[in-house]
Amino acid sequence: KQEVTQIPAALSVPEGENLVLNCSFTDSAIYNLQWFRQDPGKGLTSLLLIQSSQREQTSGRLNASLDKSSGRSTLYIAASQPGDSATYLCAVGGGADGLTFGKGTHLIIQP
Amino acid sequence: EAGVTQFPSHSVIEKGQTVTLRCDPISGHDNLYWYRRVMGKEIKFLLHFVKESKQDESGMPNNRFLAERTGGTYSTLKVQPAELEDSGVYFCASSQGGGSDQPQHFGDGTRLSIL
Repeated sequence: KQEVTQIPAALSVPEGENLVLNCSFTDSAIYNLQWFRQDPGKGLTSLLLIQSSQREQTSGRLNASLDKSSGRSTLYIAASQPGDSATYLCAVGGGADGLTFGKGTHLIIQP
Repeated sequence: EAGVTQFPSHSVIEKGQTVTLRCDPISGHDNLYWYRRVMGKEIKFLLHFVKESKQDESGMPNNRFLAERTGGTYSTLKVQPAELEDSGVYFCASSQGGGSDQPQHFGDGTRLSIL
């Protein structure tokens, strides 16, 4: 059974810093991995999707990497801004079934 | 392009009553998923439709939950009778295809409170 762990559970950093969020999973036989952000009371916004054959994906100030063999992914946020404050969720896809989620990292960017 | 929409946004019912949640996927998306998050836990998969067919309902908690997608468009999730432990946020997601390059797009969720 796939299990996804996100570290840290919460993070607070000053504006402008670069930061890394970590995600690990127990079963390396994955289909893809998605990073989401969730704002309070809202749904999940897809940030990046990495297919199992890929090593990384980039979108603007965000870069996500995938090391399938070691069961790890990182989300790198460059030059953080207060608007980046949200909960970030990592989810692993196993194919025809649904995503397996971690509990998330609650990120606060201090102005 | 309209996103995934869910109705209602919030529902409060008493234990033993029936509630029906609705999800309208993004137009043209054949794949539709239901998830839920109970307090303090991670989001968990419930089931997956491709068009009107259930592909995987391994995550459905018990037979008090019934999901349908007649006509392969919108989907409903009925809870009958509701129990206290059913409280949580129910999310719906859709994707255009089932390929590894297809992201799932989520709605804002329905917050269900059972009293």
